[in-house]
Amino acid sequence: LAKTTQPISMDSYEGQEVNITCSHNNIATNDYITWYQQFPSQGPRFIIQGYKTKVTNEVASLFIPADRKSSTLSLPRVSLSDTAVYYCLVGAPYNTNAGKSTFGDGTTLTVKP
Amino acid sequence: KAGVTQTPRYLIKTRGQQVTLSCSPISGHRSVSWYQQTPGQGLQFLFEYFSETQRNKGNFPGRFSGRQFSNSRSEMNVSTLELGDSALYLCASKQSGFVDTQYFGPGTRLTVL
Repeated sequence: LAKTTQPISMDSYEGQEVNITCSHNNIATNDYITWYQQFPSQGPRFIIQGYKTKVTNEVASLFIPADRKSSTLSLPRVSLSDTAVYYCLVGAPYNTNAGKSTFGDGTTLTVKP
Repeated sequence: KAGVTQTPRYLIKTRGQQVTLSCSPISGHRSVSWYQQTPGQGLQFLFEYFSETQRNKGNFPGRFSGRQFSNSRSEMNVSTLELGDSALYLCASKQSGFVDTQYFGPGTRLTVL
């Protein structure tokens, strides 16, 4: 089971680029890396998913180095509405053997004006 | 495509009562998972249903149960409610495989008085 480590919180200002890094040293060969965004009292929203190198969509970019032991979510030019909790997920959303969720504590991003 | 829908969005019950929550997955998705989210425990996996069968189960007491219908819609039931069951209950659907991306619904906020 790939354990993830993210910063508990981050602050940024509107218009800046934000990079949130997630460590996952024991990632398995067939594990994908997925990032979710969650606003208070709402369900997590899928942002981006990748396996290696770089993935980009209309919302964010995901950078994964060759060893895949970490990944970085990049949010370009954040706005106040990007204030949320961001979860890094490696592999399945739960451990199929232990029946435990693999969502960690997430990173609370606060964007200031 | 319509997203995952959950009903009701808000619910207030008293201790000892039971409650049933409903989830309609994204069209074509055959797997439905349920999660409980509380400020203290984070996102905790309850169970997953696939093709009307429980495929995986988290570490929750038997008061928590679920089922899935032939159209992939799912219900979750909690009997003999306790104050500690107050939480945001999230449903997520995916196509079928363990590594497929999960898409979450908006959640049902349950308050037990």
